[in-house]
Amino acid sequence: AQSVSQHNHHVILSEAASLELGCNYSYGGTVNLFWYVQYPGQHLQLLLKYFSGDPLVKGIKGFEAEFIKSKFSFNLRKPSVQWSDTAEYFCAVIPSGGSNYKLTFGKGTLLTVNP
Amino acid sequence: GAGVSQSPSNKVTEKGKDVELRCDPISGHTALYWYRQSLGQGLEFLIYFQGNSAPDKSGLPSDRFSAERTGGSVSTLTIQRTQQEDSAVYLCASSTGLAGGGTQYFGPGTRLLVL
Repeated sequence: AQSVSQHNHHVILSEAASLELGCNYSYGGTVNLFWYVQYPGQHLQLLLKYFSGDPLVKGIKGFEAEFIKSKFSFNLRKPSVQWSDTAEYFCAVIPSGGSNYKLTFGKGTLLTVNP
Repeated sequence: GAGVSQSPSNKVTEKGKDVELRCDPISGHTALYWYRQSLGQGLEFLIYFQGNSAPDKSGLPSDRFSAERTGGSVSTLTIQRTQQEDSAVYLCASSTGLAGGGTQYFGPGTRLLVL
């Protein structure tokens, strides 16, 4: 079975700082990868996803993530964070193709951006 | 368009009572999922419905949990004889049902508190 590890439980940054949130997964085959975000008091929203092709994917609000297959990683980045990026971020994986449909989530990383 | 909706948004119940949680998926989505989000456990898969196929109930934590999906649309998650450890946010998601490639869109969740 697959698993997802998010290394940082809580990250605190000042506005305009650069962000990188780590995500590693464990699975022997090909996967589809996702980052979801949960803003305070709101529901989970899709930030970006990788299925195939260019390993550098761009999402909403200036976020991007790079899939590095050799490292089983899918780190989330943003060059300059804003106070409004304060939220919890979840990395998730699902084996691609076949009859796979269960998303496996990491424990989440809480990002606090101080103004 | 309308997203996934869930009701109630909050539910407080006494230990031993039964509760029903409702999910209305995005129109046209054939796949429906229930997850549970609790402190310390992160997001856990509970059950999956796809069209008229038999649901995958492998994530249900006990036989007190059951779910049904009527007419291929609305789903109800029922928890019988609730226990305090059932307190969590119950999330519903839907997708187009493409295996592995169907992005799951989440509802706002039902926050359940068992006293």
